[in-house]
Amino acid sequence: AQSVTQLGSHVSVSEGALVLLRCNYSSSVPPYLFWYVQYPNQGLQLLLKYTSAATLVKGINGFEAEFKKSETSFHLTKPSAHMSDAAEYFCAVSDRPSGNTPLVFGKGTRLSVIA
Amino acid sequence: NAGVMQNPRHLVRRRGQEARLRCSPMKGHSHVYWYRQLPEEGLKFMVYLQKENIIDESGMPKERFSAEFPKEGPSILRIQQVVRGDSAAYFCASSPSAGGNGHGQYFGPGTRLTVT
Repeated sequence: AQSVTQLGSHVSVSEGALVLLRCNYSSSVPPYLFWYVQYPNQGLQLLLKYTSAATLVKGINGFEAEFKKSETSFHLTKPSAHMSDAAEYFCAVSDRPSGNTPLVFGKGTRLSVIA
Repeated sequence: NAGVMQNPRHLVRRRGQEARLRCSPMKGHSHVYWYRQLPEEGLKFMVYLQKENIIDESGMPKERFSAEFPKEGPSILRIQQVVRGDSAAYFCASSPSAGGNGHGQYFGPGTRLTVT
């Protein structure tokens, strides 16, 4: 069964600093991977997705993630944090990309941005 | 193009009452998923439905919970005889029928259920 581990339940960065949120996955087949962002009291918004094309994926709001099969990782980065990036971030995996199957989510990482 | 719609956004029920949560998928989407989010936890899958069919309910509690997605109208998640442990945010997501998860799943704003 697939699983997702997000290292660090809370990450704090200064405004303008690099954002790095870690995600490792476990899947028996080549996975599809997703990052979602959740602002307080709102639903989840899709940031980006890896679907077996380019290993470096660019998403919205300046975020990107790199799929590294050898490390089973899909870390999320942004070169320069903005105050508006403060939110909860979830990594998710699907192990049946060609089908419609439930996603398996990590527990989330709360990002705080300090002025 | 309207996104996934859920109502109500907030629902308060006393122990023993019934809760009904509604989800209208995005236009053109025929697959609906329900997830539950407990405090300090990620989202946990509950049930996956297509029109008039339950495809996967492996994440649903065996008792008191049921879901449907009728031919007409929204998908409904029903919780009978609610208990305090049912207090959580319930999210609905939808995806198109073609392309599988390659398109990602699109989430509604959630229903926050509080059981008093």
